[in-house]
Order: sequence, then C-alpha cells, then structure tokens
Amino acid sequence: KQEVTQIPAALSVPEGENLVLNCSFTDSAIYNLQWFRQDPGKGLTSLLLIQSSQREQTSGRLNASLDKSSGRSTLYIAASQPGDSATYLCAVTGGSYIPTFGRGTSLIVHP
Amino acid sequence: NAGVTQTPKFQVLKTGQSMTLQCAQDMNHEYMSWYRQDPGMGLRLIHYSVGAGITDQGEVPNGYNVSRSTTEDFPLRLLSAAPSQTSVYFCASSRQPPGLEQETQYFGPGTRLLVL
Repeated sequence: KQEVTQIPAALSVPEGENLVLNCSFTDSAIYNLQWFRQDPGKGLTSLLLIQSSQREQTSGRLNASLDKSSGRSTLYIAASQPGDSATYLCAVTGGSYIPTFGRGTSLIVHP
Repeated sequence: NAGVTQTPKFQVLKTGQSMTLQCAQDMNHEYMSWYRQDPGMGLRLIHYSVGAGITDQGEVPNGYNVSRSTTEDFPLRLLSAAPSQTSVYFCASSRQPPGLEQETQYFGPGTRLLVL
C-alpha cells in the first residue's frame, strides 16, 4: 500500500526566506505527483502537477521536483511571503487512479 | 464558472440520523469524488464516479452511499450517522481520473460534519 510522508509537519519562518518542503512515497510506480495548497477552512487548490516522466515543474516562485526512483519530491518556495501561509499537501497517484495524500506541512510566514 | 460547490457548509447530526451532502460542478467534468479529511491524517477517498450512472468505492466507503444521475451532481448519503463520521468532507471533480495525462482535480470548499 502506498504511503506518503511529508516533512516537516510544521514550519515557521520570517518573510523572504527560501523554503523546501519534502514529500516521500513508498511505491515508485506512480503516474503523477501533485502539490496542493489548503487555506484554513477552505478546499484544496492545485499548485503543481508532475507527471512520472518529468523531473520538475515551475510556476512563479514555486518549483517542484520529482525523483521517482528514490520516492521523493520537493517543493521549493522562493522569497516566501505572508500570503504563502497555508498547509501544503502532496498527493501521488498510481495504477489504481486513487490519489494517496500526505498529512501536509503547515507553513507560517511571519512579516 | 462557480467551479465545485458543496452544501451545507456545517452540519450537526445526532447518532443514527441520516443526511445527504450535496456536491455540484459546472465544468462538465466526468470524474467526481468524495474525500474525508481527519486531523493528523491525509485525505481519504470515500467513493468516486467516472460518469453519470457509474460509481465505485474508494478506500473508506463503509457507512456512505452515492449515486450519479447527472454529470453535474454527486451527492453523498450518510445512512445512519456515527461519531466516527465526524470529519470534513470534500468533493472534487476533473475531466478524467487522477493520474491521466496532466489531469488535476478541482476541490469544493468542504462540509464540516459533527456527529454527536
């Protein structure tokens, strides 16, 4: 059974720092990996999706990498801002087409 | 487009009561799904549908029923609520099942359910 782990569980940083959030998964037979953002009391918003054949995806200040063989992905946030404060979730989808989600990293960026 | 909408936003039930959580999308997506999110756990799939008239079970289907009579709507029914069903419920939709091509899911704002 696929298991997804996100480290750290919580992170508090001052504004302007560059951040790395980690996601690891146990079964490398995946179709894709997706990073989501969840604001308190809200639904999930997709940030980046990486297909299994890809190594990374970029959107603005966000960059996500995928190393399928080692079962790892990182989400890099450049020049963090208070508006980046949220919970970041990682999800991997394999042959069953059922996504497996991690527990998330709760990020607080202080002004 | 309204995207994915869910009603109600909050609900309190007593053990044994039944209710229906509503989900609708206006993006003409074929694939719809229901998840529950519990503290300290990742989202878990309850049921999903690949099109009108077709539904299937996810990881945690017990205690829940679904039907899909139209492309737009995918209601989730709790037959006899239990305290273990206290959770936040999210509905999601996409053109195709997750994992296919560059498919991404769109999530609703969630329904917070408390079962006493």
